[in-house]
Amino acid sequence: EIVLTQSPATLSLSPGERATLSCRASQTVSNSLAWYQQKPGQAPRLLIYDVSNRATGIPARFSGSGSGTDFTLTISSLEPEDFAVYYCQQRSNWITFGQGTRLEIK
Amino acid sequence: QVQLQESGPGLVKPSQTLSLTCTVSGGSISSGGYYWSWIRQLPGKGLEWIGYIYYSGSTYYSSSLKSRVTISVDTSKNQFSLKLSSVTAADTAVYYCARTMTSPLYYFDYWGQGTLVTVSS
Repeated sequence: EIVLTQSPATLSLSPGERATLSCRASQTVSNSLAWYQQKPGQAPRLLIYDVSNRATGIPARFSGSGSGTDFTLTISSLEPEDFAVYYCQQRSNWITFGQGTRLEIK
Repeated sequence: QVQLQESGPGLVKPSQTLSLTCTVSGGSISSGGYYWSWIRQLPGKGLEWIGYIYYSGSTYYSSSLKSRVTISVDTSKNQFSLKLSSVTAADTAVYYCARTMTSPLYYFDYWGQGTLVTVSS
């Protein structure tokens, strides 16, 4: 099973700042990685798939990058509605998720 | 727009079978082009994919739960269902149903709101 390790566990930033979230895989997942956003009491929402493709309706401030085992989700300028938990997911070998990064307001 | 809604008992006794149904609206399961998955979120923890089904009835399960999971589909009702047998407290979680992309494979683009299932006597 491929283990995805997300860091940091919690990220404290202010609106308008740039957020950089990391996801590291225990073995290569090629480009088979997605990012989801989850707000309290809600289901996860697909943001990015195949490393860098934004899902339908996702604002351009969200971007993804990386390859192999190291991946990054960047939010260029945080809006108040962006504070949530973010998960990465790989589909290269079975389907697994990371443990999440909580993005909180500083 | 596609919508998914989970339904089923919120409380299940240990050793019994957990049964949930997902009703899909705004799109037909039998039109093909997507798999239909169950995913759970253990309390305070991350997400765990359980398995998926295609409209034809073909299934694929997580290796860790395979011995206890059955997913079925009822295209006439536009529903698919989850059965998880021999449950323990460790199966307490929020259970989600989700539409699963086939191109590219295995990403989840629409989710239900989730339903909390507690395993307790």
